[in-house]
Amino acid sequence: DAGITQSPRHKVTETGTPVTLRCHQTENHRYMYWYRQDPGHGLRLIHYSYGVKDTDKGEVSDGYSVSRSKTEDFLLTLESATSSQTSVYFCAISESTRAETGELFFGEGSRLTVL
Amino acid sequence: QKEVEQNSGPLSVPEGAIASLNCTYSDRGSQSFFWYRQYSGKSPELIMSIYSNGDKEDGRFTAQLNKASQYVSLLIRDSQPSDSATYLCAVNMGAGSYQLTFGKGTKLSVIP
Repeated sequence: DAGITQSPRHKVTETGTPVTLRCHQTENHRYMYWYRQDPGHGLRLIHYSYGVKDTDKGEVSDGYSVSRSKTEDFLLTLESATSSQTSVYFCAISESTRAETGELFFGEGSRLTVL
Repeated sequence: QKEVEQNSGPLSVPEGAIASLNCTYSDRGSQSFFWYRQYSGKSPELIMSIYSNGDKEDGRFTAQLNKASQYVSLLIRDSQPSDSATYLCAVNMGAGSYQLTFGKGTKLSVIP
């Protein structure tokens, strides 16, 4: 058990409202990731972090920002939610100390619906 | 555009048979390769990783890698109904890369 908790697990919001999803880990791993999963697209990387205050963009970062002020927490913010951001969001961590890793452990997911 | 391609399925096999799942990738410089299993409504779970050409076996699972053909496969022997899930192929595109590129997944159904 990699000790990853996502919150909220389900959220319904309206277009234009801000939304923050939280990922919390208990193991102090360095690398954390946010993915979204949509039918027909698979899993796509939004942002990732390689340490406190160290973050970078992934494949589909437009409309999203992240913050990591503590090792254990990685926040994903939608500043102004749009219907295209309706998705299932997964946080993932890597237990590796190497950057070139694909051995990820995923949280349970957060289902976001933007009306 | 770096791509990972999988047949979407569904792939149906009878219980006890061998299930063969295939994946191709576009970036010849790719270094590491992974198979994840995802049950419906659940999160992906890593089941195999492979880093060099050839076969890697773990229990009923065998991953096969052919970098020259840019091809990765997953064999599941003695398939069980509990293996019914979507299998995601993922590729790390090389040194210093933080990013995994996932295929869209192949849905496997094992028929009792």
